[in-house]
Amino acid sequence: SAVISQKPSRDICQRGTSLTIQCQVDSQVTMMFWYRQQPGQSLTLIATANQGSEATYESGFVIDKFPISRPNLTFSTLTVSNMSPEDSSIYLCSVSPSAIITFGSGTRLTVV
Amino acid sequence: TQLLEQSPQFLSIQEGENLTVYCNSSSVFSSLQWYRQEPGEGPVLLVTVVTGGEVKKLKRLTFQFGDARKDSSLHITAAQPGDTGLYLCAGASGTYKYIFGTGTRLKVLA
Repeated sequence: SAVISQKPSRDICQRGTSLTIQCQVDSQVTMMFWYRQQPGQSLTLIATANQGSEATYESGFVIDKFPISRPNLTFSTLTVSNMSPEDSSIYLCSVSPSAIITFGSGTRLTVV
Repeated sequence: TQLLEQSPQFLSIQEGENLTVYCNSSSVFSSLQWYRQEPGEGPVLLVTVVTGGEVKKLKRLTFQFGDARKDSSLHITAAQPGDTGLYLCAGASGTYKYIFGTGTRLKVLA
């Protein structure tokens, strides 16, 4: 299965600022997925990132708040923009090229 | 929007008891997976079910996929404190896009 390197692993940010999270996969994949896991809750899909086209966002998530880049088949970034304390969560990228989900190690974001 | 509702949301039981967690949707999924997640860790895959009516056993855990592939259940026999964690179902929608259930937090008391 694929191996994903995600960074940063954690960060504490001031409200109103932005943070960019990076995920690097050790193999080429068509789609990468970004999830958010709020404290004590399940994973919520934010968007699907395809190489060469705009990301597809799930209901409740918009590009202005969570811009995504997918410059090639092994890399993607998610930016959390204009942060507020409500954005404090764990953010995870994932791939599932063979119906087995592989997750990055997660980014624990705290907004103060 | 596809939704996967899990019940119960929270469950606290004594060691040795049996329990069942349910995962329900109005949507059909091509496959469904169950995960367990412990605090500070990522979700760990327990099982994948793909055929309607399929039953899989993993030691004391029994997983069932509904005939219509809209629901699933996880049954744990003789629960142990090591079973404590957040249990998540995840349904495959389209080409390997997974939607996660609302989660069931299980605590097994010694």
